[in-house]
Amino acid sequence: GNSVTQMEGPVTLSEEAFLTINCTYTATGYPSLFWYVQYPGEGLQLLLKATKADDKGSNKGFEATYRKETTSFHLEKGSVQVSDSAVYFCALSTRSGGSYIPTFGRGTSLIVHP
Amino acid sequence: EPEVTQTPSHQVTQMGQEVILRCVPISNHLYFYWYRQILGQKVEFLVSFYNNEISEKSEIFDDQFSVERPDGSNFTLKIRSTKLEDSAMYFCASSGQGDSYNSPLHFGNGTRLTVT
Repeated sequence: GNSVTQMEGPVTLSEEAFLTINCTYTATGYPSLFWYVQYPGEGLQLLLKATKADDKGSNKGFEATYRKETTSFHLEKGSVQVSDSAVYFCALSTRSGGSYIPTFGRGTSLIVHP
Repeated sequence: EPEVTQTPSHQVTQMGQEVILRCVPISNHLYFYWYRQILGQKVEFLVSFYNNEISEKSEIFDDQFSVERPDGSNFTLKIRSTKLEDSAMYFCASSGQGDSYNSPLHFGNGTRLTVT
């Protein structure tokens, strides 16, 4: 079956620090990969995605590269801000019997201090 | 930008009671989902719905759960007889314009269900 493994949180950083949140996956077939962000009291929102090997998804200064050889999709940002404090979810989507079942990781909480 | 809306935002119910959680997905989407998130834990898939029927369900989605799309706009999750362990945040999501394999999910803000 499909699964997503994320690094445990919380990740606590000072403003302008470099961020990496690790994500690895196992999947049947060729998945699309996503990062979602959940701000307090809100639902999940798509942050970025990549649909094939070596693709780089990017948005709001965040980047992640689809690495098929290491089955990874690590999230990075060069300089975090306090407003980036949120929970980040890595996810994959594959086709299973004609339907699409996105699978989420446990989420990694990011806390950015001024 | 169109969005998924969920009501109510918070529902408190007594153990054994029935609850219905309501969602209005984005109007031209084809795939609908319910997920739940127990406080501090991962987002768990419950069920997906396409073409007016369940397409996949998880082992969590037992006989106590059901989904409906009664009128072409609403998408509801019913829990027939709630248990304490059903307390969680329930998220509705929709996707699907063309190639849904690559389409991201659009989530509502969730309904917090508290079973006492």
